[in-house]
Amino acid sequence: GAGVSQSPSNKVTEKGKDVELRCDPISGHTALYWYRQSLGQGLEFLIYFQGNSAPDKSGLPSDRFSAERTGGSVSTLTIQRTQQEDSAVYLCASRLGAPGGTEAFFGQGTRLTVV
Amino acid sequence: GNSVTQMEGPVTLSEEAFLTINCTYTATGYPSLFWYVQYPGEGLQLLLKATKADDKGSNKGFEATYRKETTSFHLEKGSVQVSDSAVYFCALTPNNAGNMLTFGGGTRLMVKP
Repeated sequence: GAGVSQSPSNKVTEKGKDVELRCDPISGHTALYWYRQSLGQGLEFLIYFQGNSAPDKSGLPSDRFSAERTGGSVSTLTIQRTQQEDSAVYLCASRLGAPGGTEAFFGQGTRLTVV
Repeated sequence: GNSVTQMEGPVTLSEEAFLTINCTYTATGYPSLFWYVQYPGEGLQLLLKATKADDKGSNKGFEATYRKETTSFHLEKGSVQVSDSAVYFCALTPNNAGNMLTFGGGTRLMVKP
């Protein structure tokens, strides 16, 4: 597609349920990032995929969070047993894999509300 | 590890005022530096970038100069408009192997007519 696509755009879930958030990066982009943005706040890094390398999971806040990237393209972020503090906008971005100053392109985000 | 520090907001200015948003970084080697902007209700988009020391990135009247000696990349605009109201994020990525993208905490700018 022309840009980074995220789905769903909005998700309301009950506390304790599992949710899956999807990211379709720009074709050919080997680097993919997930961030979380709480209301009016900055970007909190969650996880980063680079090609076939092991992902950098250092930002995942708990073991309830996991992510995978299948075939080097689509990525899914899964949150198990959701809590109210998980409510935020989850942003995905992709970049060309070459090191250096290439631009990251962001999706519109998934707004997750846990009630 | 790498980190980015930018001034806290909100920054409130009158239209046509001069803008500076400070950004300093800590990184090994010489990273590439970016400013991203998030307009109300929209996603993040690249505003400008600089990939080596003394480079100046510019776009839409905004400028930032990569200062290696002070590890800074301050964002400036000579005359802000109401339409510049947004959240601005400073970011870096290493120029060696790896593509980790590290952001500052964001600075909200509000421009009043």
